[in-house]
Amino acid sequence: SQELEQSPQSLIVQEGKNLTINCTSSKTLYGLYWYKQKYGEGLIFLMMLQKGGEEKSHEKITAKLDEKKQQSSLHITASQPSHAGIYLCGAVPGAGSYQLTFGKGTKLSVIP
Amino acid sequence: GAGVSQSPRYKVAKRGQDVALRCDPISGHVSLFWYQQALGQGPEFLTYFQNEAQLDKSGLPSDRFFAERPEGSVSTLKIQRTQQEDSAVYLCASSSEAGGHHNEQFFGPGTRLTVL
Repeated sequence: SQELEQSPQSLIVQEGKNLTINCTSSKTLYGLYWYKQKYGEGLIFLMMLQKGGEEKSHEKITAKLDEKKQQSSLHITASQPSHAGIYLCGAVPGAGSYQLTFGKGTKLSVIP
Repeated sequence: GAGVSQSPRYKVAKRGQDVALRCDPISGHVSLFWYQQALGQGPEFLTYFQNEAQLDKSGLPSDRFFAERPEGSVSTLKIQRTQQEDSAVYLCASSSEAGGHHNEQFFGPGTRLTVL
């Protein structure tokens, strides 16, 4: 089965600093999802990356998929307190698959 | 409604009790998923419905877990004879299309179940 490892497990940054979260898969990634979760809330969809070395940006968040390394990275520029939360990567094993496998998450704290 | 809703938001049960967790997906969404999220872990897939049909229940941890979606909209996850290891957040998600990874799954806020 596919396993996703996220690093770091937790991160504390000063407001305004840049940061990167990594997600490494035990198998080739086909579809890679990034979600954000706040305590007591459900998952908020951020971005989906498909196989093929894709890069997407939304506001100050950029996600990249490196197919060869079976890795994805999530980069936040000029972090704000509103970015605080748990970031989860999720993946599906192939086309037509709907079963999302998630990493354990990266807890981000942003100090004003 | 505007999003996926779940009830109750919090449930405390004594070991051995039965519980029922409800999910109201986004109106018209074909697909519905249940996930279990233990403390400090990512969500783990439990089961998948396409309309009223339960197409995949491979993630259900035991036969004490049962899910239904009789009319293809609201879904209920039932846990019989709850055990302490059942304590977790149970997340429901829905998507507009049938299966396929291209379809964004919209998540509800979850039900936090604590078994004493």
